[in-house]
Amino acid sequence: GQNIDQPTEMTATEGAIVQINCTYQTSGFNGLFWYQQHAGEAPTFLSYNVLDGLEEKGRFSSFLSRSKGYSYLLLKELQMKDSASYLCASMDSNYQLIWGAGTKLIIKP
Amino acid sequence: GAVVSQHPSRVICKSGTSVKIECRSLDFQATTMFWYRQFPKQSLMLMATSNEGSKATYEQGVEKDKFLINHASLTLSTLTVTSAHPEDSSFYICSARDQETGDTGEQFFGPGTRLTVL
Repeated sequence: GQNIDQPTEMTATEGAIVQINCTYQTSGFNGLFWYQQHAGEAPTFLSYNVLDGLEEKGRFSSFLSRSKGYSYLLLKELQMKDSASYLCASMDSNYQLIWGAGTKLIIKP
Repeated sequence: GAVVSQHPSRVICKSGTSVKIECRSLDFQATTMFWYRQFPKQSLMLMATSNEGSKATYEQGVEKDKFLINHASLTLSTLTVTSAHPEDSSFYICSARDQETGDTGEQFFGPGTRLTVL
C-alpha cells in the first residue's frame, strides 16, 4: 500500500532550528513535495525534490534519499509565523500526490 | 507564483440543498484541477481529478452523483455538492497544475471553501 509517515506534532523555540522527517512508500516515485498550511488556510508550496540531496531555499531546506524513502524539511532561524502544519506529499507513478497527515509545528518564544 | 481563486470562501446551507464551489486559475491554464476535502486535524483527501473537456476521475469511496464536477474550460472547474448533509461539512480545497510545467509541476492551491451544512 501507499503510506506517508511524519510526526504529528513538534515544538521548537524561536530562533532555533527544527527538522521535520517524512518517510514514504508509494507505487512509483515522481518526487517529494513539502507544503506549509496555516490553520484554516490552503497549503502553500515550499519545496520539491526528485533527486537525492539537499535543496536550500532561504531559511528552508529539504533533503531527499530515494533509496531510504526518506525526506526531511529543515527550518532555520525559526520565527513565530512559522507555526503551522507542514505536509509531506509523495508523487506516485500516476503523478498523484499521496499526502501525509501533516506535522503541527509549535514555535515558543 | 500562479494564483488560484476559489468562491465562495465560506458557505452555510440547510440540509438537502445543493452548493456550487468554483475554482479558477487566474494567470495560467490548467488542464488538470484537483478537488480535496479536509476534515479538522486531518490530511488532505483527494476526492477527484478534473480534466478539461472530459469526465472527472473520482477516488474510491467518493460518490460521483453527489459531488458533481465540471471542468468546462482551462481556467475553471466547479464542484457541486448535491443534497448536502451535515456530514458533508468540511473544508474543500481545489488545486491546479499549470499545463506548462507538466505532470510533475507543483500544484497551486485555492484558498479553500468552508462548507457548513445545518
